[in-house]
Amino acid sequence: GQNIDQPTEMTATEGAIVQINCTYQTSGFNGLFWYQQHAGEAPTFLSYNVLDGLEEKGRFSSFLSRSKGYSYLLLKELQMKDSASYLCACMDSNYQLIWGAGTKLIIKP
Amino acid sequence: ETGVTQTPRHLVMGMTNKKSLKCEQHLGHNAMYWYKQSAKKPLELMFVYSLEERVENNSVPSRFSPECPNSSHLFLHLHTLQPEDSALYLCASSRTPGQGTDTQYFGPGTRLTVL
Repeated sequence: GQNIDQPTEMTATEGAIVQINCTYQTSGFNGLFWYQQHAGEAPTFLSYNVLDGLEEKGRFSSFLSRSKGYSYLLLKELQMKDSASYLCACMDSNYQLIWGAGTKLIIKP
Repeated sequence: ETGVTQTPRHLVMGMTNKKSLKCEQHLGHNAMYWYKQSAKKPLELMFVYSLEERVENNSVPSRFSPECPNSSHLFLHLHTLQPEDSALYLCASSRTPGQGTDTQYFGPGTRLTVL
């Protein structure tokens, strides 16, 4: 079966760095997405990785290892507004997104 | 950003009611999606329309009925729902379904409560 695993909840301190991991098992692979979802709001696109390596976008970076079925989202210089859920999703061989349950990130002052 | 809008934002209905959820996308995209989001569970894909043709129907009960009159509008008609159908219903759109780089853009969702 297809499966995406990510931690349910994480806590970090304002100004620090946090890494949210995602492991996946899918039938085929056409890329991995990260989304951010604030409570009561729409999920918003953060990043897309299809090749191995690190993609950096400002304070956020996303890493992919296809051989290990593993990705992480790295958030630097954490701000209170980064408190949100972070959703990992893989696109399978049918170009359908398979979603993780999301990681709720709590930022403390 | 108002690329994808959904109405109503909140809906409370009884099990015998009939209601409809509406989604509109202003992005010129070719595909639209309905998802169900329950607490602490992955997003569940319900329906996909590509160029106004339904291409995915993931074993969704018949009490949910989608309609896509044109590429900008998507409806989800609800009737005789069950309390376990209470969830956040999200609409999304994308430009190029069937390509790996195709990114989905979401609306804010309708919070549905079935009494």
